[in-house]
Amino acid sequence: SQQGEEDPQALSIQEGENATMNCSYKTSINNLQWYRQNSGRGLVHLILIRSNEREKHSGRLRVTLDTSKKSSSLLITASRAADTASYFCATADYGGSQGNLIFGKGTKLSVKP
Amino acid sequence: GAVVSQHPSRVICKSGTSVKIECRSLDFQATTMFWYRQFPKQSLMLMATSNEGSKATYEQGVEKDKFLINHASLTLSTLTVTSAHPEDSSFYICSASNDRNTEAFFGQGTRLTVV
Repeated sequence: SQQGEEDPQALSIQEGENATMNCSYKTSINNLQWYRQNSGRGLVHLILIRSNEREKHSGRLRVTLDTSKKSSSLLITASRAADTASYFCATADYGGSQGNLIFGKGTKLSVKP
Repeated sequence: GAVVSQHPSRVICKSGTSVKIECRSLDFQATTMFWYRQFPKQSLMLMATSNEGSKATYEQGVEKDKFLINHASLTLSTLTVTSAHPEDSSFYICSASNDRNTEAFFGQGTRLTVV
């Protein structure tokens, strides 16, 4: 069953605005990862945050993790039309291999020029 | 970063035939490879986990006789969809990891269409 649940399911914004996507999960995790998928293409790894980290930055991306609430957020600042894609969170638990990820349903982001 | 190559990127086959999808780790040894399936507008669902030299572990509901997985070397895993049916049409993605990685490296995906 799906563990990660992203919201919103779809998000439409203007170029230059910030986009925030949230992810909730149910069980204890080792780390949480965010991926991007352009339509019909493979996944691109964006950022990984470990369970003992609270915030991480990578370029225009900022990820937060609240293990007490079992939630994470992905913020894309100063969005661009090229950021249009689906974004997935994925969790890796303590018991499984690092590659055994459980994916959420994703947020479809549309950035209008 | 590590590179995982998946081939083919697109394939169309007739019902009843078999299709093989390859997943290769190009610059690292992948002790574990994972196969996912993605239906349109939905998230990835893990189908099976394969460890080099041993039988794959399939997720509940995935038919192991239909989706044959072979992980014969540390750089190659294959997924064979046997007796393909239109319902098998989907996007299949592999990922690979080794003991030292903390992220999964994904292939580009394969769009399978069964007609």
